[in-house]
Amino acid sequence: DAGVIQSPRHEVTEMGQEVTLRCKPISGHDYLFWYRQTMMRGLELLIYFNNNVPIDDSGMPEDRFSAKMPNASFSTLKIQPSEPRDSAVYFCASSLGTDYQPQHFGDGTRLSIL
Amino acid sequence: GQNIDQPTEMTATEGAIVQINCTYQTSGFNGLFWYQQHAGEAPTFLSYNVLDGLEEKGRFSSFLSRSKGYSYLLLKELQMKDSASYLCALAGGATNKLIFGTGTLLAVQP
Repeated sequence: DAGVIQSPRHEVTEMGQEVTLRCKPISGHDYLFWYRQTMMRGLELLIYFNNNVPIDDSGMPEDRFSAKMPNASFSTLKIQPSEPRDSAVYFCASSLGTDYQPQHFGDGTRLSIL
Repeated sequence: GQNIDQPTEMTATEGAIVQINCTYQTSGFNGLFWYQQHAGEAPTFLSYNVLDGLEEKGRFSSFLSRSKGYSYLLLKELQMKDSASYLCALAGGATNKLIFGTGTLLAVQP
């Protein structure tokens, strides 16, 4: 079975540019999560969706960040405009909708903002 | 609020046993997860505890004491490939939402 698929794997762009990260969850999973991981702050939850609806976006750092899930098989995380401090590894994860189900992570997008 | 505490780094010898501790504080509790993350890779699920006691899975075991806000991950017969970061994650509130600790970087030496 295919796991969570993220693209691109690496992104290098200049400050001020728009960045779009993409995620395809595991088929049948009801929950989708976006995380950011840095050495300083570890793995932080940015936002998560249940059945395509955003449930909690309290982790989104500021208005420059937005996320959408137009259907059950696709989600995007957008940063506009990007800043050097946004450099991190961004992970997407999905899980089944019942309690206590483990989250399955994609391989991540390593983002560098110059 | 929620707070998770893990040691930053640990070192152990191949073939030995190592215990990685995790203490937490939370107003609600729905379970505690352990994940393994190799350098440059994604976290992968290892274990889940929601009731007190020990859960065993091959060379890995995880223990939980809810009254003490304490968990540990026990790795037996250590192998070089076990060198990784081990993340403790708390399911403390809304369904399926996890709060991760900063992780314990384990180095297994020959």
